[in-house]
Formats: sequence, structure tokens, C-alpha cells
Amino acid sequence: DAGITQSPRHKVTETGTPVTLRCHQTENHRYMYWYRQDPGHGLRLIHYSYGVKDTDKGEVSDGYSVSRSKTEDFLLTLESATSSQTSVYFCAISERGYTEAFFGQGTRLTVV
Amino acid sequence: SQQGEEDPQALSIQEGENATMNCSYKTSINNLQWYRQNSGRGLVHLILIRSNEREKHSGRLRVTLDTSKKSSSLLITASRAADTASYFCATGSSNSGYALNFGKGTSLLVTP
Repeated sequence: DAGITQSPRHKVTETGTPVTLRCHQTENHRYMYWYRQDPGHGLRLIHYSYGVKDTDKGEVSDGYSVSRSKTEDFLLTLESATSSQTSVYFCAISERGYTEAFFGQGTRLTVV
Repeated sequence: SQQGEEDPQALSIQEGENATMNCSYKTSINNLQWYRQNSGRGLVHLILIRSNEREKHSGRLRVTLDTSKKSSSLLITASRAADTASYFCATGSSNSGYALNFGKGTSLLVTP
């Protein structure tokens, strides 16, 4: 298995609070991605990074921000969580753009 | 927006039968990939087919790609109960940045 770890694995938070999810990789892959998975929607891209400090928005980026200060870590922040952000969040990595991606185990986030 | 669209949404077959899933997409691509997701787990890469390829095999998997119809199919031969999972197609396109765009998936149930 690719060395990719998401933390936390589960989180319950209240509406309006900030939340940060972490993705850590040990593969030294250049590309890192955050997706959310919801019933009926499949996987939708939130943000991705193509290098340290290089990020770009995905399809559903509103309400989310990301940071990547070193190769191995990619952080996803919900500045003020809303119930619509209740979802399962997946981090993925790849060596090059749109090549084989390796996924983390996911973080189940519930906003109450 | 999501690029791929799988069909059918759900498929139920018996062990030993073949399972065929289809994926349609909207714009030109560099490659198309198929992933499997077991319940509650991250996605696992199955196979990648480039835009200049028409067919690819990997074990019991056969993928075809028709760029003129913007469609792909995944065939799993001699299905086993362990093949029960959701299957997603994902497209990689230089027109849409460096990230993969996923469809909503096909849920496959293989009964003994």
C-alpha cells in the first residue's frame, strides 16, 4: 500500500467551527488531491496541489482552503463548517498529473 | 464538472457470470482509469488506458476505449463474491488541469 495517511479518521464538529484535515504521504509524490464523496455524487474534486505551495481549485472548492508547506503534507481547512460539508473526505496522491492515484482511507466528517 | 458517467448505477449478478460496466465522458482525454472501492475503504486503481489505446487487459479485467463515442467499458470475467464493490471511471485531461475527474460509480453485487 502507498504510504498515505489521513487524520483524523472520524470527526464530529459543530456548525461554524473551523476544521482541519491532514493528509500525510511518505511516497514523495508531487501531486496531492482532496476529494469529497457523497451519495449520488460520486467523488468530487475540492482542491489539488502540484507542488509545494502550488495549489488549484476543483469543482467544489467554495468553503474550503488548502495549504501545502512541504511535500509530504496537504491540509484541508473548512473555515466555518456547515452541515452541507458533512461528507467523507479522501486524500489522494500521484507521481504525475492525472496518472495512477493512490487514495487514503478517508475521513468521515459530520457537522452538527 | 464531473466528466465520467457510469452505467448502470447498480448491477447484480451471480458468481461466475461476467460483469460489464460502461463509462461515458464529455471532453477529450489523455487517459481513462478504472478504480474499485470496497465499502468504507479508499479507492484502489485497477487499470489505465491511454487515449491512443483501444483495449487493455489485466487478469480478469478487460477495458475498452472508444474515443469517437467518448465511452469506455470495463468487463470483469468470471466474477467472484470478492468483486462486490463500487467501480468508478476517472478521466485525465490536460484540458482540465492535473486532477482526475471521477464519475458517480457503478455498484456491483456478486452473489454466491
